[in-house]
Amino acid sequence: LAKTTQPISMDSYEGQEVNITCSHNNIATNDYITWYQQFPSQGPRFIIQGYKTKVTNEVASLFIPADRKSSTLSLPRVSLSDTAVYYCLVVIAAGGTSYGKLTFGQGTILTVHP
Amino acid sequence: DTAVSQTPKYLVTQMGNDKSIKCEQNLGHDTMYWYKQDSKKFLKIMFSYNNKELIINETVPNRFSPKSPDKAHLNLHINSLELGDSAVYFCASSQSLGTSGGSVYGRGETQYFGPGTRLLVL
Repeated sequence: LAKTTQPISMDSYEGQEVNITCSHNNIATNDYITWYQQFPSQGPRFIIQGYKTKVTNEVASLFIPADRKSSTLSLPRVSLSDTAVYYCLVVIAAGGTSYGKLTFGQGTILTVHP
Repeated sequence: DTAVSQTPKYLVTQMGNDKSIKCEQNLGHDTMYWYKQDSKKFLKIMFSYNNKELIINETVPNRFSPKSPDKAHLNLHINSLELGDSAVYFCASSQSLGTSGGSVYGRGETQYFGPGTRLLVL
């Protein structure tokens, strides 16, 4: 069964760089990879999105290898306020049909320590 | 001026009851979604509507019936509530839904989520 996998949890300290990888073996050919951040009692919030290679915005970078079977969210110099759950979102190809399945990873709980 | 709003925020009810959750977006988006987040924080898509038309219906029991009176609203009605329906339900919207490359999702459709409705079935 094709699925999207992430580490369940990660710990870091303020000021460090954090890299969270998502594996998505059966990603659909033409769809983007998107990462979301979720704080307790809130809905997920968009962080970054990419199709291939590297994308950078004001809060994160996203690295996608050529085969697109994984992606890595990079958070530079994390702070306590970056403690949250991080999800990758991809479209998993549904073999034999035109449409894929919109699939979230199971989420990575990032805890940033002082 | 909330972009995606849901009501109610909390819903506590008895098994067997029927309840509705409402969602509204003021972003002018064409596409809206319902997700279920369980106690382990897994997020699963339930439905998606594009311009009031149902386009995604994942393997959700037919006790769940979405309704979209216009493209700014997507409501979720649940009949005969069961204990396993307890979860947080999120509504989301995105600009549009392309069909490039054969994917119903198109490319680059950022989703904007509501604050969630916490449903507890007793």
